[in-house]
Amino acid sequence: EVQLVESGGGLVQPGGSLRLSCSASGFTFSSYAMHWVRQAPGKGLEYVSAISSNGGSTYYADSVKGRFTISRDNSKNTLYLQMSSLRAEDTAVYYCVKGQTRGYSYGKFDYWGQGTLVTVSS
Amino acid sequence: EIVLTQSPGTLSLSPGERATLSCRASQSVSSSYLAWYQQKPGQAPRLLIYGASSRATGIPDRFSGSGSGTDFTLTISRLEPEDFAVYYCQQYGSSPPATFGQGTKLEIK
Repeated sequence: EVQLVESGGGLVQPGGSLRLSCSASGFTFSSYAMHWVRQAPGKGLEYVSAISSNGGSTYYADSVKGRFTISRDNSKNTLYLQMSSLRAEDTAVYYCVKGQTRGYSYGKFDYWGQGTLVTVSS
Repeated sequence: EIVLTQSPGTLSLSPGERATLSCRASQSVSSSYLAWYQQKPGQAPRLLIYGASSRATGIPDRFSGSGSGTDFTLTISRLEPEDFAVYYCQQYGSSPPATFGQGTKLEIK
């Protein structure tokens, strides 16, 4: 059974940093691209970032480019999202999502974690 | 960047009725890369349909997807109580790897 378990969310002040983790199991983690998608309270889904299966290629939405860094450790089956210079508008539930291809392009999102809430507030 | 517009924003129907949800793209989308997701309160989205018309594993056959080019439709043939939720369409491409519609809330009338 595929499982994606996010952790690391919490309350952080504007300008602060936070690192999210996503522990994966039930599939060959190193064979699939992974993604982060977020959802602000009461709002829709917003695409955040992607990383290819071997970590060699990454993508960032304009809203987070230069502030967030996606990475993965295939030996630990873990995906990360390092977030810095956080803003109030980054407040959201962050979902870890499994892709269906090695590259992050043209792959549907077949499994989602339960999400971790990040709140940016003073 | 492709923009996906879903309509209606809210759809009020009764159990047993047929639901038709629309997703319109700002430019042509390959049918191979159009998906629908269901999200219930407090839960993560769940993949329903991919490739515009293929049901994901375990999805009941009352859910069907259709369309091509810029117009896509999710149809729920006979609504069950557990189908009332928010539905999102998504195109999965290259840059960006994904964009989502704003969602349609399907509520009990």
